[in-house]
Amino acid sequence: KQEVTQIPAALSVPEGENLVLNCSFTDSAIYNLQWFRQDPGKGLTSLLLIQSSQREQTSGRLNASLDKSSGRSTLYIAASQPGDSATYLCAVKGGSYIPTFGRGTSLIVHP
Amino acid sequence: NAGVTQTPKFQVLKTGQSMTLQCAQDMNHEYMSWYRQDPGMGLRLIHYSVGAGITDQGEVPNGYNVSRSTTEDFPLRLLSAAPSQTSVYFCASTTGGEETQYFGPGTRLLVL
Repeated sequence: KQEVTQIPAALSVPEGENLVLNCSFTDSAIYNLQWFRQDPGKGLTSLLLIQSSQREQTSGRLNASLDKSSGRSTLYIAASQPGDSATYLCAVKGGSYIPTFGRGTSLIVHP
Repeated sequence: NAGVTQTPKFQVLKTGQSMTLQCAQDMNHEYMSWYRQDPGMGLRLIHYSVGAGITDQGEVPNGYNVSRSTTEDFPLRLLSAAPSQTSVYFCASTTGGEETQYFGPGTRLLVL
């Protein structure tokens, strides 16, 4: 059974810092890994999708890496802003094609 | 192309009442799933389907039923609502392989 862990559970940083959010998974036989953002009371917004054959994906100030063999992914946020405050979730799609989620990292960026 | 749609957006039930949360997708996806989200718990899988006529249980299936009579629709039924089912429910769909996952906007359910 796939298990997904996200560390840290919560993070509070001043504006401008570079951040690293971690996601680890127990079964490396995956098709893809996806990072989502969720604002309070809202739905899921897809940030980055990394296929199993890829090492990283970038979108603006976001960069996600994937090391399938070690079962790890990191989401790097450059020059954080208060608008980045949200919960970040990673989801792993394995052999069942049904995504397994971590519990998320709650991020607060204060001015 | 509407993607994944969910109705209702918000619902209040009394303990013991039944209801059906609707989920539909227009992308011809084989795989559909239901999750519930509670504070600090991420999204937990309730039930999923790998095609019309095929369903299976996820991590937290108790108190919920599903059926998949068509490729497009995957309703979630609460037979006798309990306060512990107060949550936000998300429906998702995808195809096999490396295709991304698509999520509906969610249904907020409050059981009194």
